[in-house]
Amino acid sequence: DAKTTQPNSMESNEEEPVHLPCNHSTISGTDYIHWYRQLPSQGPEYVIHGLTSNVNNRMASLAIAEDRKSSTLILHRATLRDAAVYYCILTDRFTFGGGTRLMVKP
Amino acid sequence: GAGVSQSPSNKVTEKGKDVELRCDPISGHTALYWYRQSLGQGLEFLIYFQGNSAPDKSGLPSDRFSAERTGGSVSTLTIQRTQQEDSAVYLCASSPHRGQQGNTIYFGEGSWLTVV
Repeated sequence: DAKTTQPNSMESNEEEPVHLPCNHSTISGTDYIHWYRQLPSQGPEYVIHGLTSNVNNRMASLAIAEDRKSSTLILHRATLRDAAVYYCILTDRFTFGGGTRLMVKP
Repeated sequence: GAGVSQSPSNKVTEKGKDVELRCDPISGHTALYWYRQSLGQGLEFLIYFQGNSAPDKSGLPSDRFSAERTGGSVSTLTIQRTQQEDSAVYLCASSPHRGQQGNTIYFGEGSWLTVV
C-alpha cells in the first residue's frame, strides 16, 4: 500500500497561515491525495482532495508537487477551531496514518 | 439525517461479553469502512465492503472480530469475548463507488466501547 509521512505535531499562531506537509513518495499514478481532519471527540471530516493540480476550497488549499511525491495543506488564516489532527491519505484503501496534530495559539 | 449513523454511541461491557456495533451508511453509498481508534492514536483500518464483492478483512485484529453487511446497506461489527484492549472508538465510514478514487468518505460519530 502507498503510505504517507507527516510530522507528528505542528504549532501555529492564530490568524497566521499554516502549511502542513505530507510525503507520499510511493504514490501511484491513479491515487488521489485526500486530507481529512479530526476535531476532538469527533469522527474525521473531509477537508480537500486533488490529483495533480493545486486545489482551493472554502476550507483550505492543497498544493501538490509536480512529481506528486509530496503535498502541502494550506490553511490561510488559522483559527482556534482549526486545532485538530490532520490526516493525509492516498485513496488506495483509505489507510490512515498517525496524522499531524495542529495546535493553534491565541 | 443524511449522514452516517452509528449505534450505540456509547457502550460499556464486561470482559468476556459479546458486543454488536451498528452502522447505517449514507443512502446509495456502496463502499463501507470500519476503523478502530484507541485513545490518543490514529485510525486503524479494520474491514472494507464494496457492493457485492467479498469484503477486505485484512485489518481485523483477531478472529474475535467479524463484520457483515446485509443487503448492501447496514453493517454490523461484532466483537466476541471482549477484552480490555478492545476499548476504543469504532468508526464507520461510507463513500460512493470506490472505483472513482476522487470520491470522499464520510464518517459517523463513532461508537465508544469500554470493556471493564
